[in-house]
Amino acid sequence: GQNIDQPTEMTATEGAIVQINCTYQTSGFNGLFWYQQHAGEAPTFLSYNVLDGLEEKGRFSSFLSRSKGYSYLLLKELQMKDSASYLCAVLDSNYQLIWGAGTKLIIKP
Amino acid sequence: SQTIHQWPATLVQPVGSPLSLECTVEGTSNPNLYWYRQAAGRGLQLLFYSVGIGQISSEVPQNLSASRPQDRQFILSSKKLLLSDSGFYLCAWGRDEKSEQFFGPGTRLTVL
Repeated sequence: GQNIDQPTEMTATEGAIVQINCTYQTSGFNGLFWYQQHAGEAPTFLSYNVLDGLEEKGRFSSFLSRSKGYSYLLLKELQMKDSASYLCAVLDSNYQLIWGAGTKLIIKP
Repeated sequence: SQTIHQWPATLVQPVGSPLSLECTVEGTSNPNLYWYRQAAGRGLQLLFYSVGIGQISSEVPQNLSASRPQDRQFILSSKKLLLSDSGFYLCAWGRDEKSEQFFGPGTRLTVL
């Protein structure tokens, strides 16, 4: 079957750096997406990786290793507004998007 | 720029009542459209997707149905709601099957 694993919850301190991991086992691979979802709101697109390596976008970076079935989202200089759930999703060989359950990130002052 | 609208924002319905949720997209043409449901504290479950007018693919057998009467309009319906239909319903659009998806604000449905 197809599976995406993320930690359920993580806690970090304002101003620090946090890395949220995502491992996947899917039927083929056509890209990996990260979304941010604040409580009670819709997900918003953060990043897309299809080739191995690091993609940087301001305070957020996303890394992909296709051979290891692994990605991480790196958040730097954490702010209170970064408290949210972070969803990892993989596009499989049929271009179906497989979603992880999300990682709830709690930022403490 | 593109925008996606969903309504209503919240809905409380009795068991056995009908449902109609509407989603419209502006600023793009021939988008892929998606309906998701998210249970509390859970991931997204794809319910339906559409690649064009009148074309609907169902991912999960259930008492829900979807229709796409116009290019940028996507409707989710039910004839008789069940308690298990409660959840957060999200409509999304994408340029094609490979692209990122953009979500509407969602409808929080409570079935009592």
